[in-house]
Amino acid sequence: QQQVKQSPQSLIVQKGGIPIINCAYENTAFDYFPWYQQFPGKGPALLIAIRPDVSEKKEGRFTISFNKSAKQFSLHIMDSQPGDSATYFCAAHLSGNTPLVFGKGTRLSVIA
Amino acid sequence: EAGVAQSPRYKIIEKRQSVAFWCNPISGHATLYWYQQILGQGPKLLIQFQNNGVVDDSQLPKDRFSAERLKGVDSTLKIQPAKLEDSAVYLCASSLGVGAKNIQYFGAGTRLSVL
Repeated sequence: QQQVKQSPQSLIVQKGGIPIINCAYENTAFDYFPWYQQFPGKGPALLIAIRPDVSEKKEGRFTISFNKSAKQFSLHIMDSQPGDSATYFCAAHLSGNTPLVFGKGTRLSVIA
Repeated sequence: EAGVAQSPRYKIIEKRQSVAFWCNPISGHATLYWYQQILGQGPKLLIQFQNNGVVDDSQLPKDRFSAERLKGVDSTLKIQPAKLEDSAVYLCASSLGVGAKNIQYFGAGTRLSVL
């Protein structure tokens, strides 16, 4: 059973565009939702995270929007750059010392 | 601060052979995770350690996979015998293990190809 569903599988945008990646979760007990960025040959690295008690969080060019009632959250990348080309994973976990449940990932390509 | 170290970076073996991966977590991190990342998918937890004790190994195929974390620091993941479907990247992650955020930091992984 996939607990976190992520879409789209791949995304191509022009430089300066705003790619949006969507995720939906099933377990209402999840209370921490991080996004990870992974470059080829590297491990995932934490990009930004949100708790369900806020509807939006911004860090630089990255924004998470969270809809608790719909059990959905999304990542927006403002003014995207070729250096943002990577695979992005949404994840979720219960509070405290618990493992992450990942989506399947979105491969983003930003073309100049 | 040094990150999570993993070795080897790549390994190619024949099916039915055995293989071992090593992980050195960030200093002071009590919790260590092993994830399996199959091509085109997100990482999936295999086992979680808290210090040198197992917290969750419910998704570890125990007939062929084993893991240990001696002295609560380094960890080794072993596969014996390997199957074709074990081809994947094996990621080690560590975290402080306290606090609500419990940020996990990942190593670069070991890419295993089983032929």
